[in-house]
Amino acid sequence: DAGVIQSPRHEVTEMGQEVTLRCKPISGHNSLFWYRQTMMRGLELLIYFNNNVPIDDSGMPEDRFSAKMPNASFSTLKIQPSEPRDSAVYFCASSPRQGYTEAFFGQGTRLTVV
Amino acid sequence: AQSVSQHNHHVILSEAASLELGCNYSYGGTVNLFWYVQYPGQHLQLLLKYFSGDPLVKGIKGFEAEFIKSKFSFNLRKPSVQWSDTAEYFCAVNGGGADGLTFGKGTHLIIQP
Repeated sequence: DAGVIQSPRHEVTEMGQEVTLRCKPISGHNSLFWYRQTMMRGLELLIYFNNNVPIDDSGMPEDRFSAKMPNASFSTLKIQPSEPRDSAVYFCASSPRQGYTEAFFGQGTRLTVV
Repeated sequence: AQSVSQHNHHVILSEAASLELGCNYSYGGTVNLFWYVQYPGQHLQLLLKYFSGDPLVKGIKGFEAEFIKSKFSFNLRKPSVQWSDTAEYFCAVNGGGADGLTFGKGTHLIIQP
């Protein structure tokens, strides 16, 4: 199994630009999670999906952040417009099913907004 | 709401020393507990997990953790650390069957040769 695949691995963008992060969960997994990791706040759950449906987006920091999961094998996290304080590592994780709480993480996308 | 507290943000040990990293959680009901490790530049990997049963859990690479319900603790231990154990260690909790994990801030472990 290839594991959770995220792209790009690194992204540098200018403030105000739109940023799209991508994730392919492990095949057959029904739950998908987006986390953000910063030095100050550690790992924070932003949003999670079950069977492609957003279940809880209470962790999304602002309306500038949005996430979609158009099908079982693909999800995006979009920031528009981006700001320097959005700089962080964004992790995607998947689990086999809702309530099965072990999460398998991707390599992460390191986002730098200048 | 659930939360996780890791007592030590930075730990420096010499090779062969014994390790114990503290983790306390706050949640009144049934919990699932995890320790993840993040090697430099890499993603999080599961070290071990506790769902139920024997409170002493053994994981990969010689790590173990003990769930003490009365103390709301899930401390990570290793009898003899190696240089390759240098990494960031995260304790995480999932309470009440809710989806998603709540992570502690992490402990940065440095093993000196």
